[in-house]
Amino acid sequence: NAGVMQNPRHLVRRRGQEARLRCSPMKGHSHVYWYRQLPEEGLKFMVYLQKENIIDESGMPKERFSAEFPKEGPSILRIQQVVRGDSAAYFCASSPAQNNSPLHFGNGTRLTVT
Amino acid sequence: GENVEQHPSTLSVQEGDSAVIKCTYSDSASNYFPWYKQELGKGPQLIIDIRSNVGEKKDQRIAVTLNKTAKHFSLHITETQPEDSAVYFCAARRYGNNRLAFGKGNQVVVIP
Repeated sequence: NAGVMQNPRHLVRRRGQEARLRCSPMKGHSHVYWYRQLPEEGLKFMVYLQKENIIDESGMPKERFSAEFPKEGPSILRIQQVVRGDSAAYFCASSPAQNNSPLHFGNGTRLTVT
Repeated sequence: GENVEQHPSTLSVQEGDSAVIKCTYSDSASNYFPWYKQELGKGPQLIIDIRSNVGEKKDQRIAVTLNKTAKHFSLHITETQPEDSAVYFCAARRYGNNRLAFGKGNQVVVIP
């Protein structure tokens, strides 16, 4: 039973390029969450999605960041025109549809902006 | 929103001793408190969780205690082993709100 799958594991982008991070939830999970982790910091909530819907994006920067979770395929976190401050580890978590279910995390994508 | 704090930031213990990490939370409506273990280069792994209707939960060498009045909860690891060395994160969530608020993490180092 595969866990949460994230790819790529490492991503290097030059300033101004676009970064696309993908997340496939655990089998049977329909809720996806994206978190960002800076060095020696905790995980900061970015966005919570269900299939084809953004439920809570209160942690997402207003510009350059977007997320989607289409009916078919993985969830995508997209960062346009990346800047050095976007360098971080981005983690995806998933949970089943029931309220108050535990979150299970993937191994993250480490984005480095040069 | 919920604010979760962890203490101490770094904890060193001798192998075989116990380790205790404490977290405090601010939102009295929070009712779910998980602990995650993160090893280098990996994602956080859920190791134990507790809901507000119980005061303690145990799973082999790991236990979590919850004090709702004082709004704090603690992770207890007994008979520590080198493989317990990792960063441990606590988190809190209020009922009906699926997002978790995390503390900044504790680095636990088990000295062989």
